[in-house]
Amino acid sequence: SQQGEEDPQALSIQEGENATMNCSYKTSINNLQWYRQNSGRGLVHLILIRSNEREKHSGRLRVTLDTSKKSSSLLITASRAADTASYFCAGGGSNYKLTFGKGTLLTVNP
Amino acid sequence: NAGVTQTPKFQVLKTGQSMTLQCAQDMNHEYMSWYRQDPGMGLRLIHYSVGAGITDQGEVPNGYNVSRSTTEDFPLRLLSAAPSQTSVYFCASSYSGSYTEAFFGQGTRLTVV
Repeated sequence: SQQGEEDPQALSIQEGENATMNCSYKTSINNLQWYRQNSGRGLVHLILIRSNEREKHSGRLRVTLDTSKKSSSLLITASRAADTASYFCAGGGSNYKLTFGKGTLLTVNP
Repeated sequence: NAGVTQTPKFQVLKTGQSMTLQCAQDMNHEYMSWYRQDPGMGLRLIHYSVGAGITDQGEVPNGYNVSRSTTEDFPLRLLSAAPSQTSVYFCASSYSGSYTEAFFGQGTRLTVV
């Protein structure tokens, strides 16, 4: 079964705007990870936030984690056309398995 | 640094044929896994391995077989291909399973006719 569920399924914004994607998960996790997938390519790791962390930054990325609500959000600030991709959250459990959601397709229009 | 290498990139099979998808990593990672990606379904775990000689089933293992004889290689075998196995297959490796970031190959696009 899917661990994470991203919301929205698709998001279209203008260059320079911020993009926010949300993820809800079902079971307890050790960490929550976000990945990006450009069309026709493999997934690329963006950021990992551990269950005892609430917020993490990496460049233009900001991730939050609320374990009480079993949810996470990914904020991309000042979006660029090159940010156009699918974004996936993945829950890291204690069983060595990484379980992915269905993804959000982000389109950044120039 | 090659990372995770998958071959082939594209493959067309007839129903009932068998084949092996190759995956190799050069990062000395113990943990390797295979996923399939279908439209609207995200990635689903097929099989995974926590080290040479150790494999286990994921969420959708039926119709697939794996073995791990070396740390570097983790091939995925389709025993008798079915149209339902038409998908994009990704191999991934990581230092410590779900506790650390995963590195993905570029994928194998498989069509079963």
